[in-house]
Amino acid sequence: GENVEQHPSTLSVQEGDSAVIKCTYSDSASNYFPWYKQELGKRPQLIIDIRSNVGEKKDQRIAVTLNKTAKHFSLHITETQPEDSAVYFCAASMEQAGTALIFGKGTTLSVSS
Amino acid sequence: SAVISQKPSRDICQRGTSLTIQCQVDSQVTMMFWYRQQPGQSLTLIATANQGSEATYESGFVIDKFPISRPNLTFSTLTVSNMSPEDSSIYLCSVAGTGDLGYTFGSGTRLTVV
Repeated sequence: GENVEQHPSTLSVQEGDSAVIKCTYSDSASNYFPWYKQELGKRPQLIIDIRSNVGEKKDQRIAVTLNKTAKHFSLHITETQPEDSAVYFCAASMEQAGTALIFGKGTTLSVSS
Repeated sequence: SAVISQKPSRDICQRGTSLTIQCQVDSQVTMMFWYRQQPGQSLTLIATANQGSEATYESGFVIDKFPISRPNLTFSTLTVSNMSPEDSSIYLCSVAGTGDLGYTFGSGTRLTVV
């Protein structure tokens, strides 16, 4: 089955800096790679996703890149703000086959002002 | 995308008892997924629930401990049986959207076993 590795487990940055979180997956059949942000006591919220037919996707300060050959994908947050502080999870699935998302272990991002 | 109603939102239970968690989806979906999130941890897939067949459990999870029902295409339940304090977690259900709609999660059930 699918296995998703996520690094780093914790990340501390200064406000305005960039943050990068990386994930690798094991199943080359996976084709859907979302990123979730989870604030304390709340359910995970989708912040951006990418499918295997594209290499990069951007949404304002957030971008995701995908390297299918290497089986890794990354989340990039630019101009970080204190409200970006949260736990971020990457995940992978074979979306068109309707399989479940398999999650990485998460990255706790702390943005200090 | 689908909207999921999950209940209860939280419960405090005595060890040795069982709790049944319900998820109702506002549209028909083929598969529903149940996850556990232990304190400070990631989401771990418990099982995939298909309508009309037995659920498929992930390694480390068994039907006797986490029986699942899927009576129709919009509803599923997860029971946490014979609970111990180690079962204290958040339990979430999820469904896959159609087309490019991604996945939707229920609001979660925060279970505390005392």
